[in-house]
Amino acid sequence: EIMLTQSPATLSLSPGERATLSCRASQSVSTYLAWYQQKPGQAPRLVMYDVTNRATGIPARFSGSGSGTDFTLTISSLEPEDFAVYYCQQRYYSGTFGQGTKVEIK
Amino acid sequence: EVQLVESGGGLVQPGRSLRLSCRGSGFTFGAYAVAWVRQAPGKGLDWVGFIRSKASGGAIEHAASVKGRFTISRDDSKSMAYLQMNSLKIEDTAVYYCTREIEGASGYWGQGTLVTVSS
Repeated sequence: EIMLTQSPATLSLSPGERATLSCRASQSVSTYLAWYQQKPGQAPRLVMYDVTNRATGIPARFSGSGSGTDFTLTISSLEPEDFAVYYCQQRYYSGTFGQGTKVEIK
Repeated sequence: EVQLVESGGGLVQPGRSLRLSCRGSGFTFGAYAVAWVRQAPGKGLDWVGFIRSKASGGAIEHAASVKGRFTISRDDSKSMAYLQMNSLKIEDTAVYYCTREIEGASGYWGQGTLVTVSS
């Protein structure tokens, strides 16, 4: 089973700051990597797929990079609505999720 | 508008069975893969499995944690997907989400249905 490790567990930032979230796979997942955003009491929402592709309605301040085992989700300038938990998921083999990174207001 | 609506959750005793249903609307249901994802209370996301469209071969995969106990199926004529859960354990307690895939990712999500396994 491919394991995904996200870091940090919590990111405390202020609106307008840059957020950098990391996701590391235990083995290569090529570019079969997606990111999701989840707010309390809501279903998750797809943010990025295939590493670099923004889902419908996702603003350009979100970007993704990486390949193989190391991936990054960057939010260039945090808006109030971006504070949430973010999960990465690989679909190279089955479909495991990382444990999540909470982006909270500092 | 793409919509997914899960149903069938509830309280069930350990060792018993439950079948969840997912109805899709607003798109050609049979053209897309469907995945199930669960989330235990206060925990992260846990991939349960998926079923490809028939045009893509109809392959089914289940997570190791549920293999042999859970079975995913679909009935495209009814725009429905199902998650048959047998031999339920307390640790299967979670909100179960049905999702429609976009390029291998879960692009659309239902609102979820809560399954509570308890004696």
